[in-house]
Order: sequence, then C-alpha cells, then structure tokens
Amino acid sequence: KNEVEQSPQNLTAQEGEFITINCSYSVGISALHWLQQHPGGGIVSLFMLSSGKKKHGRLIATINIQEKHSSLHITASHPRDSAVYICARNAGGTSYGKLTFGQGTILTVHP
Amino acid sequence: KAGVTQTPRYLIKTRGQQVTLSCSPISGHRSVSWYQQTPGQGLQFLFEYFSETQRNKGNFPGRFSGRQFSNSRSEMNVSTLELGDSALYLCASRLALQPAPNEKLFFGSGTQLSVL
Repeated sequence: KNEVEQSPQNLTAQEGEFITINCSYSVGISALHWLQQHPGGGIVSLFMLSSGKKKHGRLIATINIQEKHSSLHITASHPRDSAVYICARNAGGTSYGKLTFGQGTILTVHP
Repeated sequence: KAGVTQTPRYLIKTRGQQVTLSCSPISGHRSVSWYQQTPGQGLQFLFEYFSETQRNKGNFPGRFSGRQFSNSRSEMNVSTLELGDSALYLCASRLALQPAPNEKLFFGSGTQLSVL
C-alpha cells in the first residue's frame, strides 16, 4: 500500500460542477501539499496545509490530521481546471522537505 | 522575479553515459530539491540541498548524485545511465529549510531525459 493514496484516479466533470479530490496518507505528517500539473509538465504549488482549511479563489483545501485525510475542492469548475492534481506528504523533523507523492488525479472538465 | 530555471529542457543520451542537469532557484531561495517523474512510478523525491549541504535523500541508487553551489544553483548527475532513467526530472526551490505558514514550492519546467 502506498503511503499516499488519492481518489479518484480519473475524474470527468461538466463545466460548473463542484469537484472533490481526496488524499489519504498512512504515516503522520508535518504538512501536506496540493500540486497542479498541466500537460507539458509544469507544476504549480496550490496549497501547503498543516491543519484546517485554506482557500484561494475557487479552490479550497482541507485537512483532518486525526483521520489522515485531505480534500481538494474546486467550485464552479472550468475547462481550464483540467490538469493532474497531486497531493504530497511532507515528512516532519529532520526529514522535512522529503515529499512522498500520491499517484495523481487526472481531472477533465468539459464545456 | 525570475522563476526556477532548469537546463537543458530536453536531453537524449545512450545507456552507459552520464548526464548533468542544472537548476537555478528563485533569487533568495536557499533550498533546492530534485524529483523524478515517470509514467509508472509517478513523482519521486531524489534529494534536497540547502546551503550547499544535502539535507535529505530519497531511495535512489548511488548513480544519482547532486550538489549545490554557493549561489544556490544546483546540479544533479546520473552516471552509467540505464533505460529506466528515462524520465522528467524536476527541481523545486523554496525560501528556507524550516516550514513557514504560507510556504510554497516553486517548480521548474523540468528536463526530459531520454535514454536510448
């Protein structure tokens, strides 16, 4: 079993739909990252969470430390949101910075 | 402010050769980390450097090595290339070694390495 599991692996939505991508991890963390990767490889860091909730525009990320679970929500989805979304666990202590990645969720939003 | 710059963008090598990839972080960023991305394994952490010292290392063989210079630029080297080393190699920079409340990682566009 991977340390970081994402679901679903593939997600197709119609423009305007509310989207949720889930991330579960088996080992404790100091922080969890959500990343977005568009075709061509470029990766953008969306959020880093250690507790609670963060919001940026139409994106919301939440984390439940006790349940070892994080979610990324996209409200009013748009075709430009089509990308691969990746969560990454950041180990704590002296291993801070050593990221372990989920396998990614491929999101396609149709107009 | 210039972003993270990786060179070269594409590279083709043959088995047994060695390769050096370069990463220039955002000005002022002192931490540089390297990742390998393949269709089969996804993203995997290679190593992280801070102030010219390797701080963390992933589970890769010793053929994979790196270094960081005093200006924070970093290089990674892969010796005795194997077909399985074909991948997108990404680097990322961040400001400091310890976590900050609104910390962000900034990624370069990557170097696509093909080993024939």
